[in-house]
Amino acid sequence: SQTIHQWPATLVQPVGSPLSLECTVEGTSNPNLYWYRQAAGRGLQLLFYSVGIGQISSEVPQNLSASRPQDRQFILSSKKLLLSDSGFYLCAWTSGGWATNEKLFFGSGTQLSVL
Amino acid sequence: DAKTTQPTSMDCAEGRAANLPCNHSTISGNEYVYWYRQIHSQGPQYIIHGLKNNETNEMASLIITEDRKSSTLILPHATLRDTAVYYCIVRVALGYKYIFGTGTRLKVLA
Repeated sequence: SQTIHQWPATLVQPVGSPLSLECTVEGTSNPNLYWYRQAAGRGLQLLFYSVGIGQISSEVPQNLSASRPQDRQFILSSKKLLLSDSGFYLCAWTSGGWATNEKLFFGSGTQLSVL
Repeated sequence: DAKTTQPTSMDCAEGRAANLPCNHSTISGNEYVYWYRQIHSQGPQYIIHGLKNNETNEMASLIITEDRKSSTLILPHATLRDTAVYYCIVRVALGYKYIFGTGTRLKVLA
Protein backbone atom coordinates (compact mmCIF):
# COMPACT_ATOMS: atom_id res chain seq x y z
CA SER A 1 0.00 0.00 0.00
CA GLN A 2 1.02 3.59 -0.50
CA THR A 3 2.29 5.74 2.33
CA ILE A 4 3.51 9.30 2.60
CA HIS A 5 6.14 10.42 5.05
CA GLN A 6 6.69 13.99 6.07
CA TRP A 7 9.16 15.31 8.59
CA PRO A 8 9.79 16.86 10.98
CA ALA A 9 6.45 17.07 12.77
CA THR A 10 7.34 20.35 14.46
CA LEU A 11 10.04 22.88 13.80
CA VAL A 12 11.03 26.14 15.46
CA GLN A 13 13.37 28.33 13.45
CA PRO A 14 14.72 31.87 13.89
CA VAL A 15 13.97 34.57 11.34
CA GLY A 16 16.56 34.57 8.58
CA SER A 17 17.49 30.93 8.96
CA PRO A 18 17.18 28.39 6.10
CA LEU A 19 14.44 25.78 5.82
CA SER A 20 14.25 22.33 4.35
CA LEU A 21 11.16 20.14 4.67
CA GLU A 22 11.15 16.72 3.08
CA CYS A 23 8.35 14.51 1.89
CA THR A 24 8.58 11.02 0.44
CA VAL A 25 5.97 8.67 -0.96
CA GLU A 26 6.25 4.90 -0.92
CA GLY A 27 4.39 2.22 -2.82
CA THR A 28 3.74 4.12 -6.02
CA SER A 29 5.63 5.56 -8.97
CA ASN A 30 5.29 8.79 -10.94
CA PRO A 31 3.03 10.45 -8.38
CA ASN A 32 1.89 14.04 -8.59
CA LEU A 33 3.21 15.82 -5.50
CA TYR A 34 1.93 18.89 -3.70
CA TRP A 35 2.93 21.34 -0.97
CA TYR A 36 0.20 23.21 0.89
CA ARG A 37 0.44 25.73 3.71
CA GLN A 38 -2.15 26.48 6.32
CA ALA A 39 -1.87 29.63 8.40
CA ALA A 40 -3.40 29.53 11.85
CA GLY A 41 -7.18 29.31 11.61
CA ARG A 42 -7.17 29.49 7.82
CA GLY A 43 -7.75 27.17 4.87
CA LEU A 44 -5.17 25.35 2.81
CA GLN A 45 -3.14 27.33 0.31
CA LEU A 46 -1.53 25.48 -2.60
CA LEU A 47 2.14 26.46 -2.81
CA PHE A 48 3.74 24.11 -5.34
CA TYR A 49 2.98 20.99 -7.28
CA SER A 50 5.04 18.66 -9.41
CA VAL A 51 4.06 16.10 -12.04
CA GLY A 52 7.55 14.72 -12.63
CA ILE A 53 11.19 14.74 -11.60
CA GLY A 54 12.63 18.23 -11.85
CA GLN A 55 9.27 19.78 -12.77
CA ILE A 56 7.85 22.36 -10.36
CA SER A 57 4.79 24.58 -10.72
CA SER A 58 4.58 27.52 -8.35
CA GLU A 59 1.21 28.87 -7.34
CA VAL A 60 2.11 31.75 -5.07
CA PRO A 61 5.28 33.87 -5.44
CA GLN A 62 6.90 34.03 -2.05
CA ASN A 63 9.93 33.28 0.03
CA LEU A 64 9.81 29.55 -0.66
CA SER A 65 10.97 27.15 -3.34
CA ALA A 66 10.41 23.49 -4.08
CA SER A 67 12.42 20.76 -5.71
CA ARG A 68 11.84 17.19 -6.79
CA PRO A 69 15.22 15.50 -7.07
CA GLN A 70 13.76 11.98 -7.20
CA ASP A 71 10.47 10.50 -8.38
CA ARG A 72 8.97 10.14 -4.92
CA GLN A 73 10.76 12.92 -3.06
CA PHE A 74 9.52 16.49 -2.72
CA ILE A 75 11.42 19.17 -0.84
CA LEU A 76 10.28 22.59 0.33
CA SER A 77 13.03 25.11 1.00
CA SER A 78 13.76 28.66 1.96
CA LYS A 79 17.05 30.50 2.10
CA LYS A 80 15.87 32.99 4.73
CA LEU A 81 12.71 32.47 6.72
CA LEU A 82 10.30 35.30 7.48
CA LEU A 83 7.86 35.55 10.35
CA SER A 84 5.05 35.17 7.80
CA ASP A 85 6.36 31.73 6.82
CA SER A 86 5.00 30.30 10.05
CA GLY A 87 2.24 27.78 9.50
CA PHE A 88 1.27 24.17 9.05
CA TYR A 89 2.90 22.68 5.96
CA LEU A 90 1.33 19.69 4.30
CA CYS A 91 2.66 17.42 1.61
CA ALA A 92 0.20 15.48 -0.53
CA TRP A 93 0.19 13.10 -3.49
CA THR A 94 -2.06 11.63 -6.14
CA SER A 95 -1.48 9.01 -8.77
CA GLY A 96 0.12 10.51 -11.84
CA GLY A 97 -1.73 11.40 -14.98
CA TRP A 98 -4.52 13.63 -16.19
CA ALA A 99 -7.43 11.79 -14.61
CA THR A 100 -9.63 14.21 -12.70
CA ASN A 101 -10.98 11.65 -10.25
CA GLU A 102 -7.78 10.87 -8.40
CA LYS A 103 -7.86 11.16 -4.63
CA LEU A 104 -5.43 13.48 -2.91
CA PHE A 105 -3.66 11.91 0.07
CA PHE A 106 -1.99 14.03 2.73
CA GLY A 107 0.93 13.59 5.03
CA SER A 108 0.73 14.36 8.72
CA GLY A 109 2.16 17.86 8.33
CA THR A 110 4.92 20.01 9.78
CA GLN A 111 4.10 22.79 12.21
CA LEU A 112 6.65 25.53 11.54
CA SER A 113 7.10 28.40 13.95
CA VAL A 114 9.40 31.21 12.88
CA LEU A 115 10.48 33.36 15.82
CA ASP B 1 -10.33 27.78 -11.35
CA ALA B 2 -13.72 26.62 -10.17
CA LYS B 3 -14.30 28.04 -6.72
CA THR B 4 -16.35 26.68 -3.88
CA THR B 5 -18.23 28.51 -1.16
CA GLN B 6 -19.28 26.97 2.12
CA PRO B 7 -20.81 28.26 5.34
CA THR B 8 -18.20 29.18 7.90
CA SER B 9 -19.60 27.03 10.67
CA MET B 10 -22.42 24.66 11.59
CA ASP B 11 -23.61 22.81 14.67
CA CYS B 12 -25.21 19.39 14.72
CA ALA B 13 -26.65 17.30 17.54
CA GLU B 14 -24.96 13.99 18.17
CA GLY B 15 -26.83 11.14 16.45
CA ARG B 16 -28.53 13.43 13.97
CA ALA B 17 -27.65 13.81 10.31
CA ALA B 18 -25.21 16.57 9.45
CA ASN B 19 -25.87 18.20 6.08
CA LEU B 20 -23.01 20.34 4.83
CA PRO B 21 -23.72 22.43 1.73
CA CYS B 22 -21.30 23.63 -0.92
CA ASN B 23 -21.76 25.92 -3.91
CA HIS B 24 -19.60 25.43 -7.01
CA SER B 25 -21.49 27.35 -9.66
CA THR B 26 -18.52 27.65 -12.06
CA ILE B 27 -17.73 23.96 -12.14
CA SER B 28 -16.92 22.50 -15.54
CA GLY B 29 -18.47 19.38 -16.99
CA ASN B 30 -15.63 17.02 -16.21
CA GLU B 31 -14.56 18.39 -12.84
CA TYR B 32 -15.12 16.22 -9.82
CA VAL B 33 -16.30 17.46 -6.44
CA TYR B 34 -14.30 16.17 -3.48
CA TRP B 35 -14.90 16.37 0.23
CA TYR B 36 -12.21 16.27 2.86
CA ARG B 37 -12.18 16.84 6.56
CA GLN B 38 -9.44 18.05 8.85
CA ILE B 39 -9.21 17.45 12.53
CA HIS B 40 -7.05 19.96 14.33
CA SER B 41 -3.34 19.69 13.58
CA GLN B 42 -3.73 16.72 11.25
CA GLY B 43 -3.59 16.33 7.50
CA PRO B 44 -6.97 16.43 5.72
CA GLN B 45 -8.69 13.08 5.33
CA TYR B 46 -10.50 12.08 2.14
CA ILE B 47 -14.23 11.46 2.59
CA ILE B 48 -15.91 11.09 -0.79
CA HIS B 49 -16.00 12.45 -4.32
CA GLY B 50 -18.39 12.49 -7.26
CA LEU B 51 -19.07 13.84 -10.73
CA LYS B 52 -22.79 13.75 -11.47
CA ASN B 53 -24.46 10.95 -9.59
CA ASN B 54 -25.04 10.73 -5.89
CA GLU B 55 -22.40 8.72 -4.09
CA THR B 56 -22.32 6.82 -0.81
CA ASN B 57 -19.57 5.11 1.10
CA GLU B 58 -19.00 3.96 4.66
CA MET B 59 -18.32 7.50 5.83
CA ALA B 60 -20.87 9.69 4.10
CA SER B 61 -23.21 10.40 1.23
CA LEU B 62 -22.72 13.03 -1.46
CA ILE B 63 -25.69 14.60 -3.17
CA ILE B 64 -24.92 16.62 -6.32
CA THR B 65 -27.64 18.75 -7.90
CA GLU B 66 -28.62 18.03 -11.46
CA ASP B 67 -27.05 21.26 -12.72
CA ARG B 68 -23.91 20.39 -10.68
CA LYS B 69 -23.75 23.89 -9.24
CA SER B 70 -24.01 22.71 -5.67
CA SER B 71 -23.62 19.63 -3.52
CA THR B 72 -24.33 18.42 -0.01
CA LEU B 73 -22.26 16.14 2.15
CA ILE B 74 -24.36 14.07 4.52
CA LEU B 75 -23.00 12.42 7.65
CA PRO B 76 -25.97 10.23 8.51
CA HIS B 77 -25.41 9.83 12.26
CA ALA B 78 -22.96 12.44 13.48
CA THR B 79 -20.73 11.59 16.42
CA LEU B 80 -18.50 13.80 18.54
CA ARG B 81 -15.53 12.51 16.55
CA ASP B 82 -17.01 14.09 13.43
CA THR B 83 -16.21 17.53 14.82
CA ALA B 84 -13.80 18.92 12.25
CA VAL B 85 -13.38 21.38 9.39
CA TYR B 86 -14.96 20.05 6.19
CA TYR B 87 -13.65 21.16 2.82
CA CYS B 88 -15.47 20.96 -0.47
CA ILE B 89 -13.06 21.22 -3.39
CA VAL B 90 -13.09 20.91 -7.14
CA ARG B 91 -10.28 19.26 -8.99
CA VAL B 92 -9.37 21.58 -11.83
CA ALA B 93 -9.91 20.07 -15.26
CA LEU B 94 -6.97 19.97 -17.66
CA GLY B 95 -4.66 20.50 -14.77
CA TYR B 96 -3.44 19.07 -11.55
CA LYS B 97 -4.58 21.53 -8.95
CA TYR B 98 -6.83 20.87 -5.98
CA ILE B 99 -7.96 24.25 -4.67
CA PHE B 100 -9.26 24.37 -1.11
CA GLY B 101 -11.57 27.04 0.23
CA THR B 102 -11.95 28.01 3.86
CA GLY B 103 -14.21 25.08 4.72
CA THR B 104 -17.06 24.61 7.20
CA ARG B 105 -16.27 24.13 10.85
CA LEU B 106 -18.71 21.46 12.03
CA LYS B 107 -19.26 21.11 15.73
CA VAL B 108 -21.16 18.04 16.90
CA LEU B 109 -22.89 18.71 20.21
CA ALA B 110 -23.54 16.09 22.87
